[in-house]
Amino acid sequence: QKEVEQNSGPLSVPEGAIASLNCTYSDRGSQSFFWYRQYSGKSPELIMSIYSNGDKEDGRFTAQLNKASQYVSLLIRDSQPSDSATYLCAVNRDNYGQNFVFGPGTRLSVLP
Amino acid sequence: DVKVTQSSRYLVKRTGEKVFLECVQDMDHENMFWYRQDPGLGLRLIYFSYDVKMKEKGDIPEGYSVSREKKERFSLILESASTNQTSMYLCASSAPTSGDTQYFGPGTRLTVL
Repeated sequence: QKEVEQNSGPLSVPEGAIASLNCTYSDRGSQSFFWYRQYSGKSPELIMSIYSNGDKEDGRFTAQLNKASQYVSLLIRDSQPSDSATYLCAVNRDNYGQNFVFGPGTRLSVLP
Repeated sequence: DVKVTQSSRYLVKRTGEKVFLECVQDMDHENMFWYRQDPGLGLRLIYFSYDVKMKEKGDIPEGYSVSREKKERFSLILESASTNQTSMYLCASSAPTSGDTQYFGPGTRLTVL
């Protein structure tokens, strides 16, 4: 079983819509969860981190964590063409919290 | 801002050559990581280090070694490059004080001919 799973996409949404990206993980002991954005040919950059169950909002981005169901999601409101990228979900996999496993990423395309 | 730099953006080597990829971070981070990224396979951890002179194997260490002689520098070594090591190599660093967030360098696209 893969440790972190994401739909590979592409996920296409019209400009101004809400994009919903999902991630499931297998290790119940995971404590830290991250969403990274990666533009084509560039390195990943952090968008959000979340550590507690519930929602965490930062501008147009909302991360949602449900540890009981072992999923974490990212909502992007008012999607813009500049949001078109691959979104990587990362989960820590040891108690020290430093060692991540990344999901394969979901490619998002925001259509003007 | 955290800055992670990598020695080369693009690198072309021949099969059998010894290859050094250098990574330097300027935020005094304890932890450093080397990944490779391939289409359809995502980011895979090669080696990581939590301290100077310390190293741990990741998921795909075969064919690679690392060196961490100074806190800010983490080197990835391909002892004898092979064509299946053609990939994008990404270095990252983190610290507990930054919430374990990993910050990535720009990447090195290595082609082995």
